[in-house]
Amino acid sequence: AQSVTQLDSQVPVFEEAPVELRCNYSSSVSVYLFWYVQYPNQGLQLLLKYLSGSTLVKGINGFEAEFNKSQTSFHLRKPSVHISDTAEYFCAVYAGNNRKLIWGLGTSLAVNP
Amino acid sequence: EAGVAQSPRYKIIEKRQSVAFWCNPISGHATLYWYQQILGQGPKLLIQFQNNGVVDDSQLPKDRFSAERLKGVDSTLKIQPAKLEDSAVYLCASSSPGQKAFFGQGTRLTVV
Repeated sequence: AQSVTQLDSQVPVFEEAPVELRCNYSSSVSVYLFWYVQYPNQGLQLLLKYLSGSTLVKGINGFEAEFNKSQTSFHLRKPSVHISDTAEYFCAVYAGNNRKLIWGLGTSLAVNP
Repeated sequence: EAGVAQSPRYKIIEKRQSVAFWCNPISGHATLYWYQQILGQGPKLLIQFQNNGVVDDSQLPKDRFSAERLKGVDSTLKIQPAKLEDSAVYLCASSSPGQKAFFGQGTRLTVV
């Protein structure tokens, strides 16, 4: 069975600092990996996805993530955050054999001035 | 392209009352999901449709929750009767099979 673990429930950072939000998954089959963002009082939006090919994936708003198959990780990074990046970030795994998106519990990113 | 539409945006009801949510997916998307997102938690899949057939409803509390997707397009999710612990945001999403899901804005339900 697939599972997703987001290692940090809350990440406070100062504006313009770099940030990494960690995501580990477990699966015995090949997967698709996603990061979604939920801004306050808004629905979920797709930040980026890994389906195949290059392991470094670039998304919207300056975010990127790297798929590491040996470590079964898909960490999200941004070199310099803004106040507007304050949001809840969700890592999700889609495994084609059971056709379900498995969600992590989310990481709350708080960017402080 | 138009996104996933959900209504209402907000709903407040008393416990033991009934409530229904509506979702209109992106045109052409065969797969439709209903998620429940309780504050501080990740979204939990309640039910997944492929066209008008149910693919997965293993986490749907069937004694009080029901969902349908007539004609394989719009979908409604109903709770009858509601409990306090049903207070959450109910998200609808749609996708083509195996592709990224697009989410609606959600319906925030408060049960008092």
